[in-house]
Amino acid sequence: ETGVTQSPTHLIKTRGQQVTLRCSSQSGHNTVSWYQQALGQGPQFIFQYYREEENGRGNFPPRFSGLQFPNYSSELNVNALELDDSALYLCASSQPWGSDEQFFGPGTRLTVL
Amino acid sequence: GQQVMQIPQYQHVQEGEDFTTYCNSSTTLSNIQWYKQRPGGHPVFLIQLVKSGEVKKQKRLTFQFGEAKKNSSLHITATQTTDVGTYFCAPRTSGTYKYIFGTGTRLKVLA
Repeated sequence: ETGVTQSPTHLIKTRGQQVTLRCSSQSGHNTVSWYQQALGQGPQFIFQYYREEENGRGNFPPRFSGLQFPNYSSELNVNALELDDSALYLCASSQPWGSDEQFFGPGTRLTVL
Repeated sequence: GQQVMQIPQYQHVQEGEDFTTYCNSSTTLSNIQWYKQRPGGHPVFLIQLVKSGEVKKQKRLTFQFGEAKKNSSLHITATQTTDVGTYFCAPRTSGTYKYIFGTGTRLKVLA
């Protein structure tokens, strides 16, 4: 176990709805990255948060947004859900100074109907 | 933008055979990480390579970073059924802080 937790485990939503996914980072890690993994594909970088600030973003539309809190936990919000948003959403925590190893949580499986 | 290709996409081997996956980038890399993801699981960090030409070993696994820092490989000697999973490279381009995961190589080991 990595110490990174995510909630919920599974989620079913309908098109147009909004969803919030949560991630608690490993103790001592101040950086959280979010990834989207479609079935049979590699994880796609959504964005990264470092000390409560967005530190970089992948090719995802603005309806994907996030937050990081003072305790370094994080949220991923997706508005106006589309069918293609169905995927496994992974968060990974890391400490950028040092090994930069990313510790992944178990993921949230989102299904959009 | 940066493109990261891994070959092969799939590999089936008999237990005891060797396995190699290759990762190629269109741009020069700052460093590269390798991850393993078991079916139904999440990516688990294996190693990070930073230096040009670097070679690192972990028991039966050998990781190599190319001299030009544009490619990398993972070699497994004498595969075991526990090696089953998808192996991803995740390079980071110089001047950025994001890791771009490769397409992955799915390994099946036949007992």
